[in-house]
Amino acid sequence: EVQLLESGGGLAQPGGSLRVSCAASGFTFSSYAMNWVRQAPGKGLEWVSVVSASGGATFYADSVKGRFTISRDNSNNIVYLQMNSLRAEDTAKYFCAKRRVGGSDRDAFDVWGQGTMVTVSS
Amino acid sequence: DIQMTQSPSSLSASVGDRVTVTCRASQGISHYLAWYQQKSGKVPKLLIYAASTLQSGVPSRFSGSGSGTDFTLTISSLQPEDVATYYCQNYYSVPWTFGQGTKVEIK
Repeated sequence: EVQLLESGGGLAQPGGSLRVSCAASGFTFSSYAMNWVRQAPGKGLEWVSVVSASGGATFYADSVKGRFTISRDNSNNIVYLQMNSLRAEDTAKYFCAKRRVGGSDRDAFDVWGQGTMVTVSS
Repeated sequence: DIQMTQSPSSLSASVGDRVTVTCRASQGISHYLAWYQQKSGKVPKLLIYAASTLQSGVPSRFSGSGSGTDFTLTISSLQPEDVATYYCQNYYSVPWTFGQGTKVEIK
């Protein structure tokens, strides 16, 4: 069974840092680009970042560019999101999501984790 | 960035009704459009990809159409378990933008 399990969320102060992780199982992790999507309380979905299958290419939403860094460990099937200079508006549940087809440059997200909540507050 | 605009923002319909949600892209995205269903407190679920291809396991009462800038999600006969918020998503170019969502309720 394909599974994604996020961890690492919690409370952070404005200006602080936090790293969330997503452990994958049930598929050939190193063949799939991986994404982070967030959802603020009571709000819609916002795509945050993507890392290519090899880890060599990354892209970010303008709202997090320069503050967040996505990376992956294909030996241990984990994708990370390092979040620095956190702001109150980063408060959200963070989901990792797998692209539907491995090796595809453009595809929908067919598997989502349960999410991990990040709260930025003093 | 490509903006995705859904309408309506919410709707209420009776069980058995045909329900239509529209999604408009601010520029052409060919068929690179997905629809997701998110029930309250749950994880988003992929319904349709490539504008009109039903994801495995999704009931056939769901269908999608469109290309370019205008897209439609249709539920042919609304069921109580379809109460959810529906999102469209552009995956033509980063950022992979989502629509603001359409909340579907039972009248």
